[in-house]
Amino acid sequence: QSALTQPASVSGSPGQSITISCTGTSSDVGRYNLVSWYQQHPGKAPKLMIYEGSKRPSGVSNRFSGSKSGNTASLTISGLQAEDEADYYCCSYAGSSTPVLFGGGTKLTVL
Amino acid sequence: QLQLQESGPGLVKPSETLSLTCTVSGGSISSSGFYWGWIRQPPGKGLEWIGSIAYSGSTYYDPSLKSRVAISVDTSNNHFSLKLNSVTATDTAVYYCARLAGYGEHGDYWGQGTLVTVSS
Repeated sequence: QSALTQPASVSGSPGQSITISCTGTSSDVGRYNLVSWYQQHPGKAPKLMIYEGSKRPSGVSNRFSGSKSGNTASLTISGLQAEDEADYYCCSYAGSSTPVLFGGGTKLTVL
Repeated sequence: QLQLQESGPGLVKPSETLSLTCTVSGGSISSSGFYWGWIRQPPGKGLEWIGSIAYSGSTYYDPSLKSRVAISVDTSNNHFSLKLNSVTATDTAVYYCARLAGYGEHGDYWGQGTLVTVSS
């Protein structure tokens, strides 16, 4: 199975909202509501920000939200802050034989 | 607080076997409902799922690596391991271990990662 498709980069100014898309197929993103999103700062391990499409782990700001339409999932960050500048990866369940499929990653720049 | 720590050689020769261990502390690796997985990240590139092992012992591997990889669990020492054989330079990456929840598709706890370089 192919990786999920994300834009290589997005940018926004402090206080604005941005959305990162993650496009899969009817066999993964479209079939299951099991998309997760990770934030990764340089040299650090990924941090879970959203799971099961729209759920936030304890401690994650409510400025981060997830949604899905068809075969495309989205991560929205509202009220952009400088600390949000990082790489973001989506991930989807893709069935019992290959449970995990990652996106290629999106670099968020806060202008 | 659950913590995961990768350990193993940082340099492996081409054609040899890469072996890493992930030690889990602050919780039992035998806890039902969780999976334990390995994810890697080549320098400057994105995350790649390698595989995972369920609390039941079932294993799941990325199809492109399936012929070369094995993941096992040692419940007595509360750790799980990765073996990747016949390595080449393309296997050079930071290797992360993680606890995977749900259907084994989201990692809620991660190790800090360890860089493994494949070079003679």
